[in-house]
Amino acid sequence: AQSVTQPDIHITVSEGASLELRCNYSYGATPYLFWYVQSPGQGLQLLLKYFSGDTLVQGIKGFEAEFKRSQSSFNLRKPSVHWSDAAEYFCAVGGAGGTSYGKLTFGQGTILTVHP
Amino acid sequence: DGGITQSPKYLFRKEGQNVTLSCEQNLNHDAMYWYRQDPGQGLRLIYYSQIVNDFQKGDIAEGYSVSREKKESFPLTVTSAQKNPTAFYLCASTVRGEQETQYFGPGTRLLVL
Repeated sequence: AQSVTQPDIHITVSEGASLELRCNYSYGATPYLFWYVQSPGQGLQLLLKYFSGDTLVQGIKGFEAEFKRSQSSFNLRKPSVHWSDAAEYFCAVGGAGGTSYGKLTFGQGTILTVHP
Repeated sequence: DGGITQSPKYLFRKEGQNVTLSCEQNLNHDAMYWYRQDPGQGLRLIYYSQIVNDFQKGDIAEGYSVSREKKESFPLTVTSAQKNPTAFYLCASTVRGEQETQYFGPGTRLLVL
């Protein structure tokens, strides 16, 4: 069964500091990996996704993530955090079609607080 | 504008009452999903549908029911059998061929009176 672990429930950074949110996954085949962001009381917005190819993927709002197969990780990074980045971030893993078509498994989320 | 709409934004349920949450998409997506979100628990899959007139149970289907009579609509009914319905409910959709990329609606918050 696939699973996702986000080890950090809550992270606090200062505005302008760098950010790394951790994500570890378990999946028996080639994974599709996603990062979503959620503002309070809102739906989820896709930040970036990895399917294949270059293991460093760029997303919206200046975020990037690196797929490391050997570590089963897909960590999200941003070089300089803005106050508007404060939100909850979810990592998700999906399958490569077939009966698992479209099904994603989400991590428990990491809440990001940004101090001025 | 293409997108996913959910209504209402807030919904109140009385004891023993069934309530229905609406989810509509005009993206021509094939598959639709319902998730329940509780603080600290991420998103848990309730039901999903990959094609009209067909749907599958997710991880926490007990106390919920769905229908998929039209491609663009996937309503969720929270029945009286769901003893702890207070949560934030999210609808999502995806299209085959886009590697399971799911797009989400704005959510409905269900509260029990």
